[in-house]
Amino acid sequence: GESVGLHLPTLSVQEGDNSIINCAYSNSASDYFIWYKQESGKGPQFIIDIRSNMDKRQGQRVTVLLNKTVKHLSLQIAATQPGDSAVYFCAENIGGGGADGLTFGKGTHLIIQP
Amino acid sequence: DTGVSQDPRHKITKRGQNVTFRCDPISEHNRLYWYRQTLGQGPEFLTYFQNEAQLEKSRLLSDRFSAERPKGSFSTLEIQRTEQGDSAMYLCASSLAWTSNEQYFGPGTRLTVT
Repeated sequence: GESVGLHLPTLSVQEGDNSIINCAYSNSASDYFIWYKQESGKGPQFIIDIRSNMDKRQGQRVTVLLNKTVKHLSLQIAATQPGDSAVYFCAENIGGGGADGLTFGKGTHLIIQP
Repeated sequence: DTGVSQDPRHKITKRGQNVTFRCDPISEHNRLYWYRQTLGQGPEFLTYFQNEAQLEKSRLLSDRFSAERPKGSFSTLEIQRTEQGDSAMYLCASSLAWTSNEQYFGPGTRLTVT
């Protein structure tokens, strides 16, 4: 099976609410994780990353949480805006700290309701 | 625009023809990656270069796929004897090893094999 996957294919939230997108991974050797956002017709856009020696990292309106015990990763987006509508992918890397090929999950389509 | 660029953005070809795609990375980036993305899936890693050296190519999908980066700057991905199953988005990404693990993606080349 896939090393990285997502629990839900589609997530619909009201504008202004917080969004939580989940990701499960199966390879305990993974030591680097990234969240990407992909809008229709565009390449993936880097959002935030986290190394396995951390359990939380914050960016602008986004927070990534890593739970190595249950091999779970989540992306929290605060006060979602229409521009947040996109497909979100988590990706992992083993050993290279992100400098080698990434393994992506299938993605979650985030829909922002007005 | 100083991001990753790819050419062409769209390619329609007949089965059995050869196609070549070009990627120009961010100018100071020494690592370059190729991925394939099919509809509804996350990107799938194919190969990567550090400068002109191809450090990983075992993930190329078949011996019909080859990639080059002769001068350590732009790269080409060639698919020989295209098949309908090769229809996909081909993404290129670049990163600056040692200082950043973030891979920056280009807009992709959408290949349609008829």
